[in-house]
Amino acid sequence: GIQVEQSPPDLILQEGANSTLRCNFSDSVNNLQWFHQNPWGQLINLFYIPSGTKQNGRLSATTVATERYSLLYISSSQTTDSGVYFCAGGDIPTFGRGTSLIVHP
Amino acid sequence: GAVVSQHPSWVICKSGTSVKIECRSLDFQATTMFWYRQFPKQSLMLMATSNEGSKATYEQGVEKDKFLINHASLTLSTLTVTSAHPEDSSFYICSARGKTTGSRNIQYFGAGTRLSVL
Repeated sequence: GIQVEQSPPDLILQEGANSTLRCNFSDSVNNLQWFHQNPWGQLINLFYIPSGTKQNGRLSATTVATERYSLLYISSSQTTDSGVYFCAGGDIPTFGRGTSLIVHP
Repeated sequence: GAVVSQHPSWVICKSGTSVKIECRSLDFQATTMFWYRQFPKQSLMLMATSNEGSKATYEQGVEKDKFLINHASLTLSTLTVTSAHPEDSSFYICSARGKTTGSRNIQYFGAGTRLSVL
């Protein structure tokens, strides 16, 4: 099956900093999505982005399907951005191991 | 966005009892529902995929007699953990994928169920 690698595994930021999270796939995927899991476990869909670039407020994502990777950008981070960010892809979605983000005030 | 309701959010049960978890798509029809299990500080592990009206497809290593999945309608799937034991304690998450063009490819997630077996 598809292998999904996410980096970095852990990230600690000061409020206001910017960051880039990366997701690499071992094969071409469709249905590529980014999720945020809050400290209570709820998974929220951030982007459905099989290709191209999308932006939503301080977050944006870019997927280069031909090179099998996707990037999630977080700008001007806030403490509420803390949690785990997952990417997933495939007809039967496979998840990466996630990036654990902590934003300090 | 689409809403997936999962109940209960937390359940504590005695060893040997069975627990049923419900997953409902509230404002769309879900052709496919997925059940995941997540251990602390780990990723989501797919347990099974279910399509409305057909038997669930279980991932390798998941006991189908232990984790019964029923996808009775386009808006409801249930996971029953039968004869639960402490090692079944975990966070269970359902997700649904829609039928219509707008929601067909996007996965929407329930809030999860934290199961503790004593």
